[in-house]
Amino acid sequence: QSALTQPPSASGSPGQSVTISCTGTSSDVGGYNYVSWYQQHPGKVPKLMIYDVTKRPSGVPDRFSGSKSGNTASLTVSGLQADDEADYHCSSYAGHNNPWLFGGGTKLTVL
Amino acid sequence: EVQLVESGGGLVQPGGSLRLSCAASGLTFSYFWMSWVRQAPGKGLEWVANIKGDGSEKYYVDSVKGRFTISRDNAKNSLNLYMNSLRAEDTAVYYCATMSNFRFDFWGQGTLVTVSS
Repeated sequence: QSALTQPPSASGSPGQSVTISCTGTSSDVGGYNYVSWYQQHPGKVPKLMIYDVTKRPSGVPDRFSGSKSGNTASLTVSGLQADDEADYHCSSYAGHNNPWLFGGGTKLTVL
Repeated sequence: EVQLVESGGGLVQPGGSLRLSCAASGLTFSYFWMSWVRQAPGKGLEWVANIKGDGSEKYYVDSVKGRFTISRDNAKNSLNLYMNSLRAEDTAVYYCATMSNFRFDFWGQGTLVTVSS
């Protein structure tokens, strides 16, 4: 199976909102509510930001939100801050045989 | 606090073998599915393999089936990845990660595997 599709880059000014998309198929993103998002600062370890499409782990600011429509999931970062500048990776469960897919990652730049 | 510490990475020639290990602490290790996820230089993340808490179920991405083997020792709180017939495209940072309810919760710092002659 192919990786999920994310835009390579996104940007916004401090205080603005930005949305990053993650497109799959009915066999992964569209078929299960198991989309998660990970933030990765340069040279650092990925950090879980959103799981089960919309849920935030304890400690993740509510400026981060997730949604899904059909085969496309989205991560929205509101009230952009400088520290939000990072790579964001989406992931989806894709069924029993090849269970986990990731997107190619989106580099978020805070202008 | 959950801690995952990977080891075993290094430089290996194409066709060679390597064993990666992940030492876990701060969690009831046997309760968790565990995964290996890799990231090639400048690229996105790729799930490689995962294993159920009791070791009874294992899954692999197609590109490593038959070459990589995931295992765990719950008595030692350790996770392993045996990698054979290594190829240049296996070059990546390899992370171990805990899994719960369809998400990767905690990640180790990663260990770099470089396959090159």
